[in-house]
Amino acid sequence: DAGITQSPRHKVTETGTPVTLRCHQTENHRYMYWYRQDPGHGLRLIHYSYGVKDTDKGEVSDGYSVSRSKTEDFLLTLESATSSQTSVYFCAILSEPDTQYFGPGTRLTVL
Amino acid sequence: EDQVTQSPEALRLQEGESSSLNCSYTVSGLRGLFWYRQDPGKGPEFLFTLYSAGEEKEKERLKATLTKKESFLHITAPKPEDSATYLCAVQSGGSNYKLTFGKGTLLTVNP
Repeated sequence: DAGITQSPRHKVTETGTPVTLRCHQTENHRYMYWYRQDPGHGLRLIHYSYGVKDTDKGEVSDGYSVSRSKTEDFLLTLESATSSQTSVYFCAILSEPDTQYFGPGTRLTVL
Repeated sequence: EDQVTQSPEALRLQEGESSSLNCSYTVSGLRGLFWYRQDPGKGPEFLFTLYSAGEEKEKERLKATLTKKESFLHITAPKPEDSATYLCAVQSGGSNYKLTFGKGTLLTVNP
């Protein structure tokens, strides 16, 4: 257990609404990552953070934004949710020197 | 661009029937190759990291090996509790420790 929690664990929302997912860690890790997992695609990186207020894009960042105002929280925002963003979202932390540990996931359904 | 291909997509074994899962990769400067296990509805669970060709790691009935082009996850005398999806990922040097994942192999072990 790497001390990672994600909230909410499940969410159903409608197209066009904003959605924020939260990843919280308790062990002061510098690097945090957001992935989405879809059948036929595997895990794909959305955004990542390498410190407070330091973020960068991943492979599938369009339609998503992130913020990290404190070490323990990394927020993923869908400004205007679309059905193509229905997915399972995982947060991960980097435990030195190089291993990522994953949270339990958030299942998001956009109707 | 880093790429990871896992085969087979699905594998069904009888309890005690040993086999191997394959992960082939192309990466610009391999830093590490990672194996994860994922149970339904859960986040990926870290198993192994391999850093250089010829390296091997073992954990219970699992052994991971690495060559310059691929990695194998050998499962010896599997049990039903080994049923899961096994994910392979690569990390390249200078990548902020980002991972590129394969699509996974779904392993089912029948009693």
